Amino acid sequence: DSGVTQTPKHLITATGQRVTLRCSPRSGDLSVYWYQQSLDQGLQFLIQYYNGEERAKGNILERFSAQQFPDLHSELNLSSLELGDSALYFCASSVAGGLMYFGPGTRLLVL
Amino acid sequence: DAKTTQPNSMESNEEEPVHLPCNHSTISGTDYIHWYRQLPSQGPEYVIHGLTSNVNNRMASLAIAEDRKSSTLILHRATLRDAAVYYCILRDGSYKYIFGTGTRLKVLA
Repeated sequence: DSGVTQTPKHLITATGQRVTLRCSPRSGDLSVYWYQQSLDQGLQFLIQYYNGEERAKGNILERFSAQQFPDLHSELNLSSLELGDSALYFCASSVAGGLMYFGPGTRLLVL
Repeated sequence: DAKTTQPNSMESNEEEPVHLPCNHSTISGTDYIHWYRQLPSQGPEYVIHGLTSNVNNRMASLAIAEDRKSSTLILHRATLRDAAVYYCILRDGSYKYIFGTGTRLKVLA
């Protein structure tokens, strides 16, 4: 158990819909990272927050947005969902930019 | 972003050592070399990291070339539980951890 929690574990929705994925970092970790992993693909870096502020941005679509709240949990919002958005979404946390600890992931299926 | 190159897949027999190579010819002087692995149906987990010197921990060893353009993750005795995708990543100061496609390690009983 990495100490990073993600909810929900599974999510099934339809095209065009909007979903919110939630991540609670390890106690004491200020940084949160979001990654997308499509079937048989590598991990694509989406975005990183540090203590509530966006620090780094990767290949995140405009339909996707994220934020980190004062209690340091983070949410990834995915809107106007397409079939190709079906993937595993991982959250990771670290103290600052140090070692990352990954959560178990949220499996999103868009039908 | 500095990039890494790894073989797509490797096989090893159980109880034998495994050497997983990684090339990072564009590494800069301040880039740390990190290794993570992803077991089936799980999130990635940290394995080891280093800057210049070879490193050892309970999971593995990391051998870094003198010019730092390559490194090798060493699993001293592979077990079936070590079957995973192993990622070599360069961490610079940009807070981005860019994962490549990794090496899928198959361990044969």
